[in-house]
Amino acid sequence: KAGVTQTPRYLIKTRGQQVTLSCSPISGHRSVSWYQQTPGQGLQFLFEYFSETQRNKGNFPGRFSGRQFSNSRSEMNVSTLELGDSALYLCASSSTSGGAGTDTQYFGPGTRLTVL
Amino acid sequence: GDSVTQMEGPVTLSEEAFLTINCTYTATGYPSLFWYVQYPGEGLQLLLKATKADDKGSNKGFEATYRKETTSFHLEKGSVQVSDSAVYFCALSDPLGGGYNKLIFGAGTRLAVHP
Repeated sequence: KAGVTQTPRYLIKTRGQQVTLSCSPISGHRSVSWYQQTPGQGLQFLFEYFSETQRNKGNFPGRFSGRQFSNSRSEMNVSTLELGDSALYLCASSSTSGGAGTDTQYFGPGTRLTVL
Repeated sequence: GDSVTQMEGPVTLSEEAFLTINCTYTATGYPSLFWYVQYPGEGLQLLLKATKADDKGSNKGFEATYRKETTSFHLEKGSVQVSDSAVYFCALSDPLGGGYNKLIFGAGTRLAVHP
């Protein structure tokens, strides 16, 4: 089975622009979670989607949004980019609903976003 | 809220040395615990996990035991190799405290193994 894929792998944007990142989960996985990784804040949870519904959200401003399509692919969008949004954005997929908390999340390689 | 604390790095070891990376947690419910590894330029790979107290997760010579009494999940390996050089993250999943499919990570510990 193919792993989690993320596109693009690298992005350079300027302040004020917006950006859309894409994530394709492992085939059959219906849950997609997004994380931001920075040297200062570490790995932080952004949000989680399951069957096209956002079920969980981290403490990020409204400029960060996402969606999930019927084929489980997910996108996240960041509007009005700030310098502090420079980070590695990781998505992860899991095969079940996550209600028990025991599911393994499988991570993609990430999208490296640089904001100038 | 839920949190994970792991020992700060970097940890520098010679090949074949014994490795311990400490991890402790605070959780509202009954979390599952994970160790992930990140190699340079890559995403995170699951190393091992444990879903209930006293469970031992193991993989590729790494082990960790879920200790509820000490709220710990320390990572150990008896003999490290240069190829083990990476950043290691301890994480928990606690639907009661954090909701669905939300991993809470420690700060990460960088391991450097020299020949």
